Amino acid sequence: EIVLTQSPGTLSLSPGERATLSCRASQSVSSSYLAWYQQKPGQAPRLLIYGASSRATGIPDRFSGSGSGTDFTLTISRLEPEDFAVYYCQQYGSSPWEFTFGPGTKVDIK
Amino acid sequence: EVQLVESGGGLVQTGGSLRLSCAASGFTFTNYWMSWVRQAPGKGLEWVANIKQDGSGSYYVDSVKGRFTISRDNAKNSLYLQVNSLRAEDTAVYYCARYQWSVGAFDIWGQGTMVTVSS
Repeated sequence: EIVLTQSPGTLSLSPGERATLSCRASQSVSSSYLAWYQQKPGQAPRLLIYGASSRATGIPDRFSGSGSGTDFTLTISRLEPEDFAVYYCQQYGSSPWEFTFGPGTKVDIK
Repeated sequence: EVQLVESGGGLVQTGGSLRLSCAASGFTFTNYWMSWVRQAPGKGLEWVANIKQDGSGSYYVDSVKGRFTISRDNAKNSLYLQVNSLRAEDTAVYYCARYQWSVGAFDIWGQGTMVTVSS
């Protein structure tokens, strides 16, 4: 079973600042199946990044993803007020069959 | 508009059962695997189950195997989750989500339905 660890747990930043979120896997994961989601209070998650680095439809280019193997990063280049939320990474593994989410990183206003 | 709308949640006693439903619209339902993902109050996301396009195969997280059953009715563009033998730790918002293998992610999510298990 692959465990995803996200750091930091909480990131306190100001609008306009750069946010760097980390997702680390206990074993190597396929970049093709590494995704990032944003969730705001009371809302469903929204897909931001798939395939480790591809933006989903309608996602602004201030969001970018990178990484491979066991280390992945979500970067928000300049935080907008609407970006303060919780971010989850997620992977799919076939052996065993599992879809695993990380515990999340909360980006809040400093 | 691509949309998933869940229903069927509620308050149930420990050991009880519920049937959650998800109505899909705006896309060709039969082309996609569908999933349930849950979120306990104040906690993170947990994949629960998913099902192939034609319903011929389904997969579950270990903690719900033997208690939950995912199914679909492609004629009605609907996804279901039968939840039995409910436990306090099953209390969560249950989201219906579309899994798109071409991007390797849950790309469409419903708004969720709350299941509360009480003793």
